Amino acid sequence: DIVMTQSPDSLAVSLGERATINCKSSQSVLFSSTDKNYLAWYQQKPGQPPKLLIYWASTRESGVPDRFSGSGSGTDFTLTISSLQAEDVAVYYCQHYYSTPPGTFGQGTKVEIK
Amino acid sequence: QVTLRESGPALVKPTQTLTLTCTFSGFSLSTSGMCVSWIRQPPGKALEWLALIDWDDEKYFITSLKTRLTISKDTSKNQVVLTMTNMDAVDTATYYCARVHSAMGAVDYWGQGTLVTVSS
Repeated sequence: DIVMTQSPDSLAVSLGERATINCKSSQSVLFSSTDKNYLAWYQQKPGQPPKLLIYWASTRESGVPDRFSGSGSGTDFTLTISSLQAEDVAVYYCQHYYSTPPGTFGQGTKVEIK
Repeated sequence: QVTLRESGPALVKPTQTLTLTCTFSGFSLSTSGMCVSWIRQPPGKALEWLALIDWDDEKYFITSLKTRLTISKDTSKNQVVLTMTNMDAVDTATYYCARVHSAMGAVDYWGQGTLVTVSS
């Protein structure tokens, strides 16, 4: 099975500053026939279910603020919050959906305010 | 409006079988591309994908728990049922059901989750 590894496990960023989270998969999640990376990012706040932010590695879900962006291809991916807001404090997860069975999540990255 | 709601026991004893029901609305699991997944999260830990059933009744399971899991759907009732046998304390978690649309691949709608505690 594909293993997803996120880094760092936690980070503290000042309000208005950039936050960067990395996700590495143990094998490529780029499907050559579709030229799509089967990778999603989710945000989870305490006591809530996760919320989809990004799919196909870089497509922002409807309603997600444009300060959230996803990039990368193959095995290395990044979620960037360009200007951290107080409401962005959460745990962020990457997930692949490349293979069968799909769906392995990373271990999560906790984002806090410095 | 898409909604999903999990239901089932809050407490089960070790070795018992857990049965969870996901009741959803706003989409049909007979529509091509639609899937429902079960995902769990132990307290304070990461998400763990468990199983998926698709519109064509294809079923997929996490390798490590494959022998303990079954998943089924009742399209007429808009329900998906997950059973997990031989429950253990390490299975204590919040269990989520969630929708996946193959056009996106990712989970676009989640239920609120139900906490299941395994204890004698």
